[in-house]
Amino acid sequence: AQKVTQAQTEISVVEKEDVTLDCVYETRDTTYYLFWYKQPPSGELVFLIRRNSFDEQNEISGRYSWNFQKSTSSFNFTITASQVVDSAVYFCALLNAGGTSYGKLTFGQGTILTVHP
Amino acid sequence: KAGVTQTPRYLIKTRGQQVTLSCSPISGHRSVSWYQQTPGQGLQFLFEYFSETQRNKGNFPGRFSGRQFSNSRSEMNVSTLELGDSALYLCASSLMGTSNTGELFFGEGSRLTVL
Repeated sequence: AQKVTQAQTEISVVEKEDVTLDCVYETRDTTYYLFWYKQPPSGELVFLIRRNSFDEQNEISGRYSWNFQKSTSSFNFTITASQVVDSAVYFCALLNAGGTSYGKLTFGQGTILTVHP
Repeated sequence: KAGVTQTPRYLIKTRGQQVTLSCSPISGHRSVSWYQQTPGQGLQFLFEYFSETQRNKGNFPGRFSGRQFSNSRSEMNVSTLELGDSALYLCASSLMGTSNTGELFFGEGSRLTVL
């Protein structure tokens, strides 16, 4: 069985603070993909990053960075110098690469991030 | 490149009615997946279609069904609506042929309210 846990339901910060969103996953498969999506009020899920299970390199993209640690089954997401436009719901998700998992992302419950000016 | 288009964006139905939602994937994408999002259950996978064939299905009752047409457009249908079916229904498209890499592109969703 697969499971994704986002421990923080809501986070509130003031602009320019750094914030880390935690994600812990469970899977029996050795080949899988991890994702972060952002959901603004408009509703669509905006893809932020995909990481496969064999690539533990951390990644930085502008103010965003991701820390993938297979040893602790975690895939945490940090926003540096947060901005009001970062306010959204963020989802961590897991996809097994096996042939029976087509299209089936397992999502965490989401973290509501509010950045105050 | 146009994104994933879902129609209608909002709709209100009453219990017992049925509803059909439509999804047009990104041009060239052959896979369409559907998800239900509710405050209580979060985002849950409904089903996935590729080349008009359902390849994967989530744990939803038979009232939830879908299909995909030859142009890759997909529809999902919910019959005998219940209050608990009120949700945001999200569609995602992907190239996803034989490899399952999960590069899903989501639409803005159809928000269904059942009264």
